[in-house]
Amino acid sequence: ETGVTQTPRHLVMGMTNKKSLKCEQHLGHNAMYWYKQSAKKPLELMFVYNFKEQTENNSVPSRFSPECPNSSHLFLHLHTLQPEDSALYLCASSQGAGENQPQHFGDGTRLSIL
Amino acid sequence: AQSVTQPDIHITVSEGASLELRCNYSYGATPYLFWYVQSPGQGLQLLLKYFSGDTLVQGIKGFEAEFKRSQSSFNLRKPSVHWSDAAEYFCAVGPNYGGATNKLIFGTGTLLAVQP
Repeated sequence: ETGVTQTPRHLVMGMTNKKSLKCEQHLGHNAMYWYKQSAKKPLELMFVYNFKEQTENNSVPSRFSPECPNSSHLFLHLHTLQPEDSALYLCASSQGAGENQPQHFGDGTRLSIL
Repeated sequence: AQSVTQPDIHITVSEGASLELRCNYSYGATPYLFWYVQSPGQGLQLLLKYFSGDTLVQGIKGFEAEFKRSQSSFNLRKPSVHWSDAAEYFCAVGPNYGGATNKLIFGTGTLLAVQP
C-alpha cells in the first residue's frame, strides 16, 4: 500500500546530530500518528494530530519534536537522541481521529543511533 | 488499564494447514478490535476489524476473526495457510467510549513461520 509514504527508509545518526523524518499521506485523511516500534515491545503511540492540531503526546521526551504543517504531512524532528531511541518509527493516518477509524500505516523509518 | 495479550510469540505451521492466532484483551466494555499484519521491512496492514454486530468478521487474504465476549478474546483464523502469510501479526484494541481519541493499544505480536 502506498497511501502513506515515509522517508527516509533508513537513517543512521550520531547522538549529537539533528535529523527529520517525513511522512506524507495520499488518502485524504485528517488524522496522523507517530509510533515507535522496538524489538519485542508493543507499538508505542507517540503523537496524534487531528486537522493539524496535536491531540496526544504520550509522554514523549522533548528530543522528539513533531510538526504537522497540514493534514497530509507529518514530520518528526530528532535531536540529541540516545541509543535506546534506535527503533522503527511508523507513521499512520486515519479518516478522522475517532476511535473506530482504522489506521493506515507507512513502511516506517529504521533509525539507528550510534 | 487496557491491555492486549498475544500469548504466542512465535508459531510455525505447514503450508495448507489451518491457523489460529490468539488475542485476549482487558477492557471494561466492548472495545473496537483490530488485526494487523506486518511483512518484513513493511508497515502494518489492516486485516480486519470488529466494531459491533456479528461476532465473526471476515477480512482480507482469507482471514477471519471471532469476538468472544465471555472469553475477552478475538482470535484470528485462516483455514489454509499460504507461504506468503509468513509475517508478524498484531492484535489491537481501541477504546469504545464515544470519544474522539484514536489510541490503539497493540499486543506484542505473533511471528508466523510457514513450512513448505
